[in-house]
Amino acid sequence: DAKTTQPPSMDCAEGRAANLPCNHSTISGNEYVYWYRQIHSQGPQYIIHGLKNNETNEMASLIITEDRKSSTLILPHATLRDTAVYYCIVRAQSGGGADGLTFGKGTHLIIQP
Amino acid sequence: DAGVIQSPRHEVTEMGQEVTLRCKPISGHNSLFWYRQTMMRGLELLIYFNNNVPIDDSGMPEDRFSAKMPNASFSTLKIQPSEPRDSAVYFCASSLGSGIRNQPQHFGDGTRLSIL
Repeated sequence: DAKTTQPPSMDCAEGRAANLPCNHSTISGNEYVYWYRQIHSQGPQYIIHGLKNNETNEMASLIITEDRKSSTLILPHATLRDTAVYYCIVRAQSGGGADGLTFGKGTHLIIQP
Repeated sequence: DAGVIQSPRHEVTEMGQEVTLRCKPISGHNSLFWYRQTMMRGLELLIYFNNNVPIDDSGMPEDRFSAKMPNASFSTLKIQPSEPRDSAVYFCASSLGSGIRNQPQHFGDGTRLSIL
């Protein structure tokens, strides 16, 4: 699975959109981009994933550049409860069953009141 | 819907003792994962099962660690004997995994283990 690079920390004002970048310049054609987050003292929580098209769900939007070498997770109206460590993970989809996730250090997003 | 359930939430024990961590995956999920999180090493995969069969245990630190999945609704992670360096938060996760790698994993709230 390709390596990802994220800023170690970011601040965002409450009510504003939080834009979290992720670089994955070595991503290959069959690799998906996943985002998870971990709120303090809780287990990681799945947010969203995508291959090449932009994706949106009730939690967030995922924007993937045309060359797929980077992506941005957007939390449209950040609240204090969105303060967490956000992990960008790239992994291939292939047959043969599921396997584990490789977590990096992630971005610690702090929402300021 | 019930999520992944782990027990106990906290465990404090003395070194040398046996520790057993328990996990109940989400009903219908056929892949189960054990992770460990420490400040130094972050989140690491220890072992995972597909359809109750261990697939990859290369992340298990040493022979003191063992994991079992006797049925689709229960798994254990055992440490015997325990050592202070095993202190960490241990997470269990489950997913729909058969041939579908892009299914998200759902995590429990973890067991915080302290070995004195």
